[in-house]
Amino acid sequence: DVKVTQSSRYLVKRTGEKVFLECVQDMDHENMFWYRQDPGLGLRLIYFSYDVKMKEKGDIPEGYSVSREKKERFSLILESASTNQTSMYLCASQDVSGANVLTFGAGSRLTVL
Amino acid sequence: QKEVEQNSGPLSVPEGAIASLNCTYSDRGSQSFFWYRQYSGKSPELIMFIYSNGDKEDGRFTAQLNKASQYVSLLIRDSQPSDSATYLCAVGGYNKLIFGAGTRLAVHP
Repeated sequence: DVKVTQSSRYLVKRTGEKVFLECVQDMDHENMFWYRQDPGLGLRLIYFSYDVKMKEKGDIPEGYSVSREKKERFSLILESASTNQTSMYLCASQDVSGANVLTFGAGSRLTVL
Repeated sequence: QKEVEQNSGPLSVPEGAIASLNCTYSDRGSQSFFWYRQYSGKSPELIMFIYSNGDKEDGRFTAQLNKASQYVSLLIRDSQPSDSATYLCAVGGYNKLIFGAGTRLAVHP
């Protein structure tokens, strides 16, 4: 089974802090994604990457950046956290050789005070 | 703006009944359709995917796709209390999926 591991399940940060959310997948998938999930809004795509050092903006990239230096690792960075970035962050990996299924990590719940 | 719409629910069904979950989408070019289940506090997990018009069955679950009408549905037969969760519809082409906000299903004994 594909495993997608997110480094932190719960984080509490202060406004203005820099936040790193790490995601690692173990199945050599090309595509990786970062979503945020808020009640009533569903999953919204922040950024995705289809190869090492390649990235594309999703629907809500403002206030976020990403890094993909190695194929298995995709990091989400909040340069200066704000309270409206309090959310559940979900990383996903995609198998494009088959059914294009997304497999999600366990999620990282970020609270910005 | 490409959209995926779901009724937020809650959809309440008695144990043993059929639960019917519906999803409509706006992008006629969509090629792949997925249903994910998400338990409270957990991440989404795949139930089924469907690419072609018609029905696709997997155990107690049946996905139905009608591209002309731009809707996809999920039927859960013999609903169990353990099926109580939020069901997310996801629609997309290559690479990107757009998710609906989800329908909350409650199966009561």
